[in-house]
Amino acid sequence: KAGVTQTPRYLIKTRGQQVTLSCSPISGHRSVSWYQQTPGQGLQFLFEYFSETQRNKGNFPGRFSGRQFSNSRSEMNVSTLELGDSALYLCASSLRSLAKNIQYFGAGTRLSVL
Amino acid sequence: SQQGEEDPQALSIQEGENATMNCSYKTSINNLQWYRQNSGRGLVHLILIRSNEREKHSGRLRVTLDTSKKSSSLLITASRAADTASYFCATEPLTNAGGTSYGKLTFGQGTILTVHP
Repeated sequence: KAGVTQTPRYLIKTRGQQVTLSCSPISGHRSVSWYQQTPGQGLQFLFEYFSETQRNKGNFPGRFSGRQFSNSRSEMNVSTLELGDSALYLCASSLRSLAKNIQYFGAGTRLSVL
Repeated sequence: SQQGEEDPQALSIQEGENATMNCSYKTSINNLQWYRQNSGRGLVHLILIRSNEREKHSGRLRVTLDTSKKSSSLLITASRAADTASYFCATEPLTNAGGTSYGKLTFGQGTILTVHP
């Protein structure tokens, strides 16, 4: 089985622009979660999508949004980029099973905002 | 913000030695998981321990969980240079209604482990 695929791997944007990141989950996984990782704040949960609906949300401003498609692929959008948005963005997919809710992570998209 | 804290922040050992990392968290949980990350890449799942379990083993890994103290420890025995990485604990919290917050892991700050050959 192919793992979680994130594209692109690297992005450079300037302040004020917007960006869209993509995540393809493991086949059969219908839950996709997004995380932001920075040296200062560490790993922080952004949101989770399941069956095309946002089920959980972290404490991020409305500039951060996402969506999930019927094939479970997910996109994350950040509008009006700020310097502080520079980070490694990770997505993870899972079966969303009470018995064994392991999240499988992609390699991440490294976003640099200049 | 981070739910938990890990200590030590950095650990440097020789190959063959054991490495122990500790994690504390703040809220009630459904389970606690440990992940490894190499050089700012994606996280790799290592082991999951449920809130009603006290100890779990997987190969060279041993995890303990003390829900009364809201703490966990990860022991890596007979460390190898290839174990050099950052290690994170992550908790899946319970909701106020007692259900689980699927897909919402809260991570600790991580321990940077360096194993010298």
